Amino acid sequence: DVKVTQSSRYLVKRTGEKVFLECVQDMDHENMFWYRQDPGLGLRLIYFSYDVKMKEKGDIPEGYSVSREKKERFSLILESASTNQTSMYLCAIQGAHIQYFGAGTRLSVL
Amino acid sequence: AQSVTQPDIHITVSEGASLELRCNYSYGATPYLFWYVQSPGQGLQLLLKYFSGDTLVQGIKGFEAEFKRSQSSFNLRKPSVHWSDAAEYFCAVGGSGTYKYIFGTGTRLKVLA
Repeated sequence: DVKVTQSSRYLVKRTGEKVFLECVQDMDHENMFWYRQDPGLGLRLIYFSYDVKMKEKGDIPEGYSVSREKKERFSLILESASTNQTSMYLCAIQGAHIQYFGAGTRLSVL
Repeated sequence: AQSVTQPDIHITVSEGASLELRCNYSYGATPYLFWYVQSPGQGLQLLLKYFSGDTLVQGIKGFEAEFKRSQSSFNLRKPSVHWSDAAEYFCAVGGSGTYKYIFGTGTRLKVLA
């Protein structure tokens, strides 16, 4: 079974804090993704990585950055969290054209 | 423009009744099509996929979907719904030449006992 592990299920942070969301895979896949999910908006792609240290912006990269120092780990960084970044964040990996998702991190920024 | 439309935001069915969730897509190339299910507070789980071949595909949990190229549709069906099927369902489209998938906005299914 494909395993995509997001380090936190729930996070509560203060406005202006630097926030790290971690995602780890055990399948040795090149492609990893970070999505944001909001009611009525579906999933929106924040960033994509196709290899170590390689990344591409998705549809809504503003306010976010990413890091991929090792193949199995893909981190999403909120440099200075804002209340409008309160959301569900989903990490995914892609193998054979299929995306597999982690359980998600629900982030609240107060 | 590439897009996925799930016209029904909410659907309510009685347990044991049949179910059809609609998905229409706009995609410039040959599409890869997917249905995912999301239980509350969870990530997305793949129900089924279509890449090519037989246009009627079977998935997990008794779901099936039919690809109709002429209608740009990929509707999800289940003949008899169980209470445990209550969840949110997402349709997605991608292609062989791209990593980027486009997701619909989801349909939330409620099942009445």
